[in-house]
Amino acid sequence: KQEVTQIPAALSVPEGENLVLNCSFTDSAIYNLQWFRQDPGKGLTSLLLIQSSQREQTSGRLNASLDKSSGRSTLYIAASQPGDSATYLCAVSSTGNQFYFGTGTSLTVIP
Amino acid sequence: NAGVTQTPKFRVLKTGQSMTLLCAQDMNHEYMYWYRQDPGMGLRLIHYSVGEGTTAKGEVPDGYNVSRLKKQNFLLGLESAAPSQTSVYFCASSYWDEQFFGPGTRLTVL
Repeated sequence: KQEVTQIPAALSVPEGENLVLNCSFTDSAIYNLQWFRQDPGKGLTSLLLIQSSQREQTSGRLNASLDKSSGRSTLYIAASQPGDSATYLCAVSSTGNQFYFGTGTSLTVIP
Repeated sequence: NAGVTQTPKFRVLKTGQSMTLLCAQDMNHEYMYWYRQDPGMGLRLIHYSVGEGTTAKGEVPDGYNVSRLKKQNFLLGLESAAPSQTSVYFCASSYWDEQFFGPGTRLTVL
């Protein structure tokens, strides 16, 4: 079974700082990896999807990279803002049908 | 487009009662999923469907049943609710692997 780990569980940074969130997975034979954002009491919002053949994806201030051989993905957030405060989750699919989620990193950006 | 919607948003049940959660999507997605989210456990897949009339078990299927009679709807049933089923339930649908989530249903079983 695929195990997905996100470290740290919580992160607090001052506004304007660049930061990196980490996601690691045990089975490198993945189909794709998806990063989500979850605000308190809300559903998940898709941020970036990386297919297994890709190395990275970018959207605005967000950049996600994928290194399948080492079982790692990182989400880079540039010039953080208080509105970026949320929990960030990564999910890995090995088959395209079943997705395994990490427990998330709770990010607080201090004004 | 409404995306993925879930009904109801909140529900309180007594042990042994039954209920059905409804998920609807208007994006014509083939794949639909039911997850539960518990503190410290992350999201875990309960059941999923790869198309109308099909269902399959996920990681934690016990105590739940599902049906996909129409492509746009995916129902999650609890036949005899237990306190261990207290959780937040999320429905998702996908196209080409990118999942889209509903707002969730917060269920409490007393």
